[in-house]
Amino acid sequence: DGGITQSPKYLFRKEGQNVTLSCEQNLNHDAMYWYRQDPGQGLRLIYYSQIVNDFQKGDIAEGYSVSREKKESFPLTVTSAQKNPTAFYLCASSSRTGTAEAFFGQGTRLTVV
Amino acid sequence: DAKTTQPTSMDCAEGRAANLPCNHSTISGNEYVYWYRQIHSQGPQYIIHGLKNNETNEMASLIITEDRKSSTLILPHATLRDTAVYYCIVRALSNSGYALNFGKGTSLLVTP
Repeated sequence: DGGITQSPKYLFRKEGQNVTLSCEQNLNHDAMYWYRQDPGQGLRLIYYSQIVNDFQKGDIAEGYSVSREKKESFPLTVTSAQKNPTAFYLCASSSRTGTAEAFFGQGTRLTVV
Repeated sequence: DAKTTQPTSMDCAEGRAANLPCNHSTISGNEYVYWYRQIHSQGPQYIIHGLKNNETNEMASLIITEDRKSSTLILPHATLRDTAVYYCIVRALSNSGYALNFGKGTSLLVTP
């Protein structure tokens, strides 16, 4: 089935460690996005990429890094510089033409202890 | 993209129609209205979108006023599984490929 897959669903890390969240899509979408969601809050944009080998910072990029080496993949690294990394992370993709509705993965819940 | 305003929360009895309003008074002519919903601890799910005509699909109906300054998402026979946060988003086609701007949405509680 076509879709967008995030892994793992739950992730625990010690403070000070970098951690990479996976996002893969087989929808042939050019654009991919990473959002962060805190309890009771809306989604905030971390990074987005409209095409392979290109990406832009969103509203809360500090402490995060991304790469887009393949169309299908857009991994997010949460670095030790991120002050409050514990959150729910959501990846999405969309086409760059037409009405471009976004498709979301099921999310990764990261807990840093 | 134009700003939207939605009520913070709403209740609906199971089996009744749920009517979720959205105000987008500054919408411009080339901007579409999109609706998404997010069930607790899951990723948001696309529901429907429209420009100026009313739209219907297997999930919901979207009614857009003639002046396009507001819209209503209708779930015709709400079930307990429709309990979720519903987001109304306005976006121009020229911004396809740019991230959707999610606000706080409306938290819909469907009760037995």
